Amino acid sequence: NAGVTQTPKFQVLKTGQSMTLQCAQDMNHEYMSWYRQDPGMGLRLIHYSVGAGITDQGEVPNGYNVSRSTTEDFPLRLLSAAPSQTSVYFCASSYLSPTGLYEQYFGPGTRLTVT
Amino acid sequence: SQQGEEDPQALSIQEGENATMNCSYKTSINNLQWYRQNSGRGLVHLILIRSNEREKHSGRLRVTLDTSKKSSSLLITASRAADTASYFCATDAIGFRSGGSNYKLTFGKGTLLTVNP
Repeated sequence: NAGVTQTPKFQVLKTGQSMTLQCAQDMNHEYMSWYRQDPGMGLRLIHYSVGAGITDQGEVPNGYNVSRSTTEDFPLRLLSAAPSQTSVYFCASSYLSPTGLYEQYFGPGTRLTVT
Repeated sequence: SQQGEEDPQALSIQEGENATMNCSYKTSINNLQWYRQNSGRGLVHLILIRSNEREKHSGRLRVTLDTSKKSSSLLITASRAADTASYFCATDAIGFRSGGSNYKLTFGKGTLLTVNP
């Protein structure tokens, strides 16, 4: 299994540009999430999905859109990039086991700079 | 808002010493997890402790949970230089909305552990 993959690894955007960060997992996990990580701030949840066709907002959703048309893919769209969106973005997936326990599997991250 | 807060923010020790990191949280949880992040990499799950458990071990890791104080600690024994990383605690919040279950994991800001050879 490749696990959770993210593309691109690095991206530089100009203010106002739009782009999509790709995330895919091959573990058939129900749950997928997007986080951003900023220095001194830890990880903050942007959007998450509990299954294909179901998404919800996290702690910092403004300026981002998501969709979940398949179990495998969970792209994150930046509608109009702003310097405040400069960050490292992590995608994660997980599943709820029969014992009610789960853990998240993280992708390697996308480092985004908005100038 | 951040649910978990790690303490200390940074910790520097010598190889062979034990490292203890603490995490405090604000609301009731189902379980608490610890993750590790090497510089420039994604997070890796280390250990999970349920809210009805008080202590859990995994190799050189020992996690305790005190739900009355809303706190957890991660102990790494006999540390190695390769343990140098940031460590995060994360808590869950499971609820039911829109006919299905929601899933959220809230992370703290992390403790940067440096183990000097």
